[in-house]
Amino acid sequence: TQLLEQSPQFLSIQEGENLTVYCNSSSVFSSLQWYRQEPGEGPVLLVTVVTGGEVKKLKRLTFQFGDARKDSSLHITAAQPGDTGLYLCAGAREGYSTLTFGKGTMLLVSP
Amino acid sequence: GAVVSQHPSWVICKSGTSVKIECRSLDFQATTMFWYRQFPKQSLMLMATSNEGSKATYEQGVEKDKFLINHASLTLSTLTVTSAHPEDSSFYICSARDPGQVNYEQYFGPGTRLTVT
Repeated sequence: TQLLEQSPQFLSIQEGENLTVYCNSSSVFSSLQWYRQEPGEGPVLLVTVVTGGEVKKLKRLTFQFGDARKDSSLHITAAQPGDTGLYLCAGAREGYSTLTFGKGTMLLVSP
Repeated sequence: GAVVSQHPSWVICKSGTSVKIECRSLDFQATTMFWYRQFPKQSLMLMATSNEGSKATYEQGVEKDKFLINHASLTLSTLTVTSAHPEDSSFYICSARDPGQVNYEQYFGPGTRLTVT
């Protein structure tokens, strides 16, 4: 059983559309990070959310942490081809030095 | 943000040989680094946690005698794939945790593409 369920696994949309990616768990996380990875490169940290109910915005990207700190979402407004990549959520749990990664969402934005 | 480098970016080796991959934190000291393996279009699979000055902690199913990890300084960790076989071909990525960050953020290197022929 995957500790951090990420959905959808694949998403292919047209430029200008909106989309939401979800990460869900039955476990509580002390913090949750979102990363974007482009082919052949390492993941790049986009944001960290820490407080239950927290909302952070990064240009057209909106990140939300659930009130109970068990889930998170990433919403992209008016997607652009440059948003194409693998989006990964990763959670930190109390007492663990490692991050728990979701399986990732492969996003393809076509012109 | 914190910068992590990885060398080489790609390597091709013959079956039976060993390959060393270096991971460096460039603008911070990392007491903890991590090594991941990634298959095409999949998420990251944690192989081991590299601790400066002590033995690495390997995840279940990862052969510690095959994947040797050395964290000799606060800015350098190395992964050596010993007696490499074609099934070891993969994308290997390291990350480092900046102790100045309190929320367990990891900063990733650009990855190393290993091809074993």
